[in-house]
Amino acid sequence: QFQLVQSGPELKKPGASVKVSCKASGYSFTNYAIHWVRQAPGQRLEWMGWINAGNGHTKFSQKFQDRVTITTDTYASTAYMELSSLTTEDTAVYFCARDEAIFGVGRYFAPWGQGTLVTVSS
Amino acid sequence: SYVLTQPPSVSAAPGQTARITCGGNNIESRGVHWYQQKPGQAPVLVVYDDSDRPSGIPERFSGSNSGNTATLTISRVEAGDEADYHCQVWAGSSDPVIFGGGTKLTVL
Repeated sequence: QFQLVQSGPELKKPGASVKVSCKASGYSFTNYAIHWVRQAPGQRLEWMGWINAGNGHTKFSQKFQDRVTITTDTYASTAYMELSSLTTEDTAVYFCARDEAIFGVGRYFAPWGQGTLVTVSS
Repeated sequence: SYVLTQPPSVSAAPGQTARITCGGNNIESRGVHWYQQKPGQAPVLVVYDDSDRPSGIPERFSGSNSGNTATLTISRVEAGDEADYHCQVWAGSSDPVIFGGGTKLTVL
């Protein structure tokens, strides 16, 4: 069964960075893209960006493009999302999700990781 | 940028039909995907490409898309269907992945 397993909760101070991991299993990691989506308390799901795990190509939301980095370790079948210059507004659950398109993007997201709570507080 | 509008809440009694809408400009030209999210859990795909169901999703879940409105229909609602439901499209813009605001389904 396809599965994405994320790293555990994080507590960060304002101005710090956070790096969340997303380990894939049950499928060929490099055939699919991984997206990162966050959900702040009471807010809608918010797309942050994707990475093509096959060639490393990335695309980011305009909102996050100056402070988000998405990378992969293909040998470990793991994707990473690093967000810098954190503020309290970044407190949210961060999800990774696989794009169903093979060798591309543009389909639906399945499966999703279980989510990682990032709390930003002084 | 493209905007998807969902009602904040919908309610239905067990055994009845719940309809959750997702509005967007000429949304019928886009494929709409629907996700179910229970409290403290990750979203789960329940309908893709307007009206297709992933394996394991009950036939009670169906979708349609026409004009400016896509609709997720849940027939014979059960208590276990109580969740937030999110619609999603690809907008092809600088921010290509768009989610609706989510609708909380309450089973009375």
